[in-house]
Amino acid sequence: DGGITQSPKYLFRKEGQNVTLSCEQNLNHDAMYWYRQDPGQGLRLIYYSQIVNDFQKGDIAEGYSVSREKKESFPLTVTSAQKNPTAFYLCGVGGIPYNEQFFGPGTRLTVL
Amino acid sequence: RKEVEQDPGPFNVPEGATVAFNCTYSNSASQSFFWYRQDCRKEPKLLMSVYSSGNEDGRFTAQLNRASQYISLLIRDSKLSDSATYLCVVKEAAGYSTLTFGKGTMLLVSP
Repeated sequence: DGGITQSPKYLFRKEGQNVTLSCEQNLNHDAMYWYRQDPGQGLRLIYYSQIVNDFQKGDIAEGYSVSREKKESFPLTVTSAQKNPTAFYLCGVGGIPYNEQFFGPGTRLTVL
Repeated sequence: RKEVEQDPGPFNVPEGATVAFNCTYSNSASQSFFWYRQDCRKEPKLLMSVYSSGNEDGRFTAQLNRASQYISLLIRDSKLSDSATYLCVVKEAAGYSTLTFGKGTMLLVSP
């Protein structure tokens, strides 16, 4: 089975807690991305990584952190500093020569 | 600020109808263009890339007008299964550039 996996599918967090969302891919793509989507909104870029051990902030990085220790993995931590973390989180992958990005099934995070 | 604008809809059409979606983008230097389809509470899936000369994939036709910074998607002979939100997506530059997403246009196809 190949592709992009995200876990968990649903995640509930209490206020003040940090949580980590997993994204794994076996497509051998170099670039990986994290987006959040709020109801009725487009995808907004949180962080992206073009190569192992390197990553850049996207448009809404505050309150989030990432790591890229392996090509296959790009976990996202939602910290307690993120004021409104309830959203649908999508992990994308893509790379040269492909322009397109492909997405995992997403994690739906709810803050209780 | 880079923006991609779409009519949010919903577009309500009967089965068999032809429907067209439009999208405008603000960055004239944008390199690549795509339409994605997103079903309710699911991830976006690539529907088709949009090429400068226009391109067709079965019942779907995409057009690009760089001078007007305008992209369109035409769906012919609509099926119930076409009901979804259609996202217009723009890639700003070559290489590992990020994507800018429109908010999407909702299509509802009824029997």
